[in-house]
Amino acid sequence: DGGITQSPKYLFRKEGQNVTLSCEQNLNHDAMYWYRQDPGQGLRLIYYSQIVNDFQKGDIAEGYSVSREKKESFPLTVTSAQKNPTAFYLCASSPGQGSTDTQYFGPGTRLTVL
Amino acid sequence: AQSVTQLDSQVPVFEEAPVELRCNYSSSVSVYLFWYVQYPNQGLQLLLKYLSGSTLVKGINGFEAEFNKSQTSFHLRKPSVHISDTAEYFCAVFPSGTYKYIFGTGTRLKVLA
Repeated sequence: DGGITQSPKYLFRKEGQNVTLSCEQNLNHDAMYWYRQDPGQGLRLIYYSQIVNDFQKGDIAEGYSVSREKKESFPLTVTSAQKNPTAFYLCASSPGQGSTDTQYFGPGTRLTVL
Repeated sequence: AQSVTQLDSQVPVFEEAPVELRCNYSSSVSVYLFWYVQYPNQGLQLLLKYLSGSTLVKGINGFEAEFNKSQTSFHLRKPSVHISDTAEYFCAVFPSGTYKYIFGTGTRLKVLA
C-alpha cells in the first residue's frame, strides 16, 4: 500500500539535544511538508519542499532544519535552538506544486522534551 | 494576508442529530477550500474539497460542505452523526498562487450516545 510513514511514533528528548524525525513516502509525490500541531492552534507550517534538493522555510522554521536528498524522504531535525519543541509533528506530501493538490498526511510523531 | 476562522472549538451533539461545523476565511486572492478530519493521535484525512463548479460539495462519511463566496464561508454539515464521527475537524484554504495551506484552529466534534 502506498502512503506516508513517520517514525518514531513517540520521541523523548532531553533539553539541549538535537533529534531527527523521519518521514518517508512511496506515493511518488514531488512536494513534502512538515507541520507542527499544538492544542488549540491548528497546524503551522515549518518547512516545505517542492522538489528534490530544494526546500523553503514555512511560518515557524526557527530552531528546525530539513534536507531533501531523495524524493521519498524529508527528515526534520529539531535542534536545541527550538525553545519549546514539545508538540505533535505531522509530515505530508502532495503530487506536485499545484494548489488544487490534496495533501496526504502521515500518522505523526509526538515529541516530548524532558 | 489570508486567515481561516473556526469559531467553535468544541461541538457536542447527540448521536443521529444533525451537525454544522463553521468555517470562515479571509483572502485577497481566490482560494481552494478543504476540510480534513483527524482522529486521536493520527494524521489528517481529507473529507472533501472545493476547487470550482457546484458550491455544494459531497465528501466521505456522509459529510458535505457549501461554499458561500459572498459570506466567505465553507461550513461542513452532516444530517445524522454517529459515535464514530467523534474527531477533530480542520478547515483549510489554499490561496491561489501560493504553495501552502492555511489551517483553522480546528473544531472538536464530540458525539454523545
